[in-house]
Amino acid sequence: KAGVTQTPRYLIKTRGQQVTLSCSPISGHRSVSWYQQTPGQGLQFLFEYFSETQRNKGNFPGRFSGRQFSNSRSEMNVSTLELGDSALYLCASSRTSGGPWDTQYFGPGTRLTVL
Amino acid sequence: AQSVSQHNHHVILSEAASLELGCNYSYGGTVNLFWYVQYPGQHLQLLLKYFSGDPLVKGIKGFEAEFIKSKFSFNLRKPSVQWSDTAEYFCAVNRNSGGYQKVTFGTGTKLQVIP
Repeated sequence: KAGVTQTPRYLIKTRGQQVTLSCSPISGHRSVSWYQQTPGQGLQFLFEYFSETQRNKGNFPGRFSGRQFSNSRSEMNVSTLELGDSALYLCASSRTSGGPWDTQYFGPGTRLTVL
Repeated sequence: AQSVSQHNHHVILSEAASLELGCNYSYGGTVNLFWYVQYPGQHLQLLLKYFSGDPLVKGIKGFEAEFIKSKFSFNLRKPSVQWSDTAEYFCAVNRNSGGYQKVTFGTGTKLQVIP
């Protein structure tokens, strides 16, 4: 079974631009979560989507948004990029949302550099 | 708010030494516990998980973890480390909150194994 895939793997943008990242979950998984990973803050939860609905949201500004499509693929958008947005953005998929037996499986991440 | 603490940020061991990485969490209800590993240049991989039952959980590559509910701890252990265990290790706690999945990660422990 194919794992979680993320595209693109690397992005370089300048301040003020916007960016869209894509995540394809494992086949059969309906929940997609997004995380930001930085050396100083570790892994921080952005949001989770399940069946095209945002189920949970972390403490990030409104510049960070996402959506999920009917095939469970998800996109994350960051508008008006700031230098501090430079990070590895990870996507994780799981079969359900909130299920006690659920495990998240991670993709390789998208490395975003903001200049 | 739920939090996960990994007290050791950077651990250096010689090959064949024993390993124990600490993980403590703050939530008092029912939780699912995970250890993930991130090898250099690779994405996060599940090492082991605890949902219920035997509090001593065995994972891949000879790792194990013990859930001690009274101490809110889920420490990772390996009796004899190898150079290939050099990686960053993350503890994660998942709890169901109002039907929503809420996953919190620790800040990670970098393990360096010296040949």
